[in-house]
Amino acid sequence: EPEVTQTPSHQVTQMGQEVILRCVPISNHLYFYWYRQILGQKVEFLVSFYNNEISEKSEIFDDQFSVERPDGSNFTLKIRSTKLEDSAMYFCASTPAEGLNTEAFFGQGTRLTVV
Amino acid sequence: QQQVKQSPQSLIVQKGGISIINCAYENTAFDYFPWYQQFPGKGPALLIAIRPDVSEKKEGRFTISFNKSAKQFSLHIMDSQPGDSATYFCAAQILTGGGNKLTFGTGTQLKVEL
Repeated sequence: EPEVTQTPSHQVTQMGQEVILRCVPISNHLYFYWYRQILGQKVEFLVSFYNNEISEKSEIFDDQFSVERPDGSNFTLKIRSTKLEDSAMYFCASTPAEGLNTEAFFGQGTRLTVV
Repeated sequence: QQQVKQSPQSLIVQKGGISIINCAYENTAFDYFPWYQQFPGKGPALLIAIRPDVSEKKEGRFTISFNKSAKQFSLHIMDSQPGDSATYFCAAQILTGGGNKLTFGTGTQLKVEL
């Protein structure tokens, strides 16, 4: 069964450092998303990406965040200068299309710990 | 207005019992209401979903009841099993023109005891 894969599963970084979280969405999917989940809290939308550009972003997704699809398979989230409050589980998701009855498939997540 | 409120925060049910989780929303622009199941260390996985023009949807032991006028929906898990122990998130979707944006509830930790 096709799945969204994320690497690494756990990343520890020093405050102020840059991190790149990587995702391989399902191959025929066209829409890509990043969500985050702070420990014990709800899953929050960060950004959606379609046709090589950001289509929607939340207020969390400030100038410290960027996304990229550097090739035909990877989708990355970069945090330029990490803060303690960036510590969370980051989930990548993808959908084949936009519309009703369109399931979002989530990866297993990358746990980011900023120390 | 973008929030989805979910209750209870945690739930303990005996094996064979009925688990009920409730959600409420305010934004009438939401057009699809999925429920996600999440096991520890895993990403959320779609469990069941409903459109707002339908009042009930059943898939196996899982049923969504939807009340459009009250802007509420709920998940019922019949004959709850220990393997159902997980965190359940309700969600509401908006089509942005560039994808499906999900707004999640705060989650319910379900524990099914033997």
